[in-house]
Amino acid sequence: ETGVTQSPTHLIKTRGQQVTLRCSSQSGHNTVSWYQQALGQGPQFIFQYYREEENGRGNFPPRFSGLQFPNYSSELNVNALELDDSALYLCASSLATSGVYNEQFFGPGTRLTVL
Amino acid sequence: RKEVEQDPGPFNVPEGATVAFNCTYSNSASQSFFWYRQDCRKEPKLLMSVYSSGNEDGRFTAQLNRASQYISLLIRDSKLSDSATYLCVVNGDAGNMLTFGGGTRLMVKP
Repeated sequence: ETGVTQSPTHLIKTRGQQVTLRCSSQSGHNTVSWYQQALGQGPQFIFQYYREEENGRGNFPPRFSGLQFPNYSSELNVNALELDDSALYLCASSLATSGVYNEQFFGPGTRLTVL
Repeated sequence: RKEVEQDPGPFNVPEGATVAFNCTYSNSASQSFFWYRQDCRKEPKLLMSVYSSGNEDGRFTAQLNRASQYISLLIRDSKLSDSATYLCVVNGDAGNMLTFGGGTRLMVKP
């Protein structure tokens, strides 16, 4: 177990609705990254949060937004859901130190289905 | 062109076989390289990092060729438990953003 938890595990929404996904990072980690994994594909980077600030963003529209809290847990919000948003959403926590890459540990994911 | 490209497979091999996966990446500024393993409906887990000098972990050997922007993974003496999707992963120059390939599916048969 990585110590990274995500909730909920599964979620079903309809087009146009909004969704909030949650992630608790591993103890001692200060960075959370979010990824979207569509069926049969590799994960795609959405964005990363470091010390409560967005610290890099992939090629996702503004309706994908996030937050990081003082305890380093994080939320991913998606507005105006589209059918193509159906995917496994993964969060990964890591300890960012200057100039050094540190391993990202993945949570079990939230499987979102948009009908 | 995708930033990280892999043959999706599936690779169907018998137990005990040796199998090799390859991957190419497009960003020459990439700093770190990894192979992750992902079991069906589970999260990705780090299998091993990849270094230019090559590195080995038991039955697994990884190799990086920076000049050709090519990464490989060799699995010797395949086990049934090796059946999974293997993801080639590159850490770009924008902090800790991981770029994943589409994955290569391995199925090891008795």
